[in-house]
Amino acid sequence: GAVVSQHPSRVICKSGTSVKIECRSLDFQATTMFWYRQFPKQSLMLMATSNEGSKATYEQGVEKDKFLINHASLTLSTLTVTSAHPEDSSFYICSATTTISGGYEQYFGPGTRLTVT
Amino acid sequence: DAKTTQPPSMDCAEGRAANLPCNHSTISGNEYVYWYRQIHSQGPQYIIHGLKNNETNEMASLIITEDRKSSTLILPHATLRDTAVYYCIVLKGGTASKLTFGTGTRLQVTL
Repeated sequence: GAVVSQHPSRVICKSGTSVKIECRSLDFQATTMFWYRQFPKQSLMLMATSNEGSKATYEQGVEKDKFLINHASLTLSTLTVTSAHPEDSSFYICSATTTISGGYEQYFGPGTRLTVT
Repeated sequence: DAKTTQPPSMDCAEGRAANLPCNHSTISGNEYVYWYRQIHSQGPQYIIHGLKNNETNEMASLIITEDRKSSTLILPHATLRDTAVYYCIVLKGGTASKLTFGTGTRLQVTL
């Protein structure tokens, strides 16, 4: 159990276009989902916290108008990178929280590798 | 949330136990110790968590010292597939808290 999927797994887009990444909890409902970004040889950096039915909370330094997050249901959150530029090229990872094991574990998706040309 | 300190890298022979240490000397009474790992180019994977008692599951064991200032993650029989970066994270329990990833320990399992 506790499977999180992401789509697409890889995407290449041209500079100036927008890209949408989906994050789904497949076998559980997640009231809270998180979006992370990871650059090569670096650790994961939290971008935003997404709660179902409410506005996302963004970390300091993350542009909310550039990284649009929608959490429309208990199993789906989307991240849209608007007007993407080469510096947005990164590994984007989502996670969803559940209490399956008695605590608030986060289960992560497999990640989406975005390349902006 | 309390800060953690981990060695940057460790090696382990396949089939042997891998013992990964973590220091969290400023941990508070209501903070849990969580372990995650990230295999190259994949999303992190939850391993185990604990408050003060030792914990064991199908993946690993977690040993927390009596003063809770440090812990050790034990992979009893490491395989090549356990090669990954292991993250020790301390955070308050009872809520869906955001995770702050440090640099972790890069475990290399060798033949």
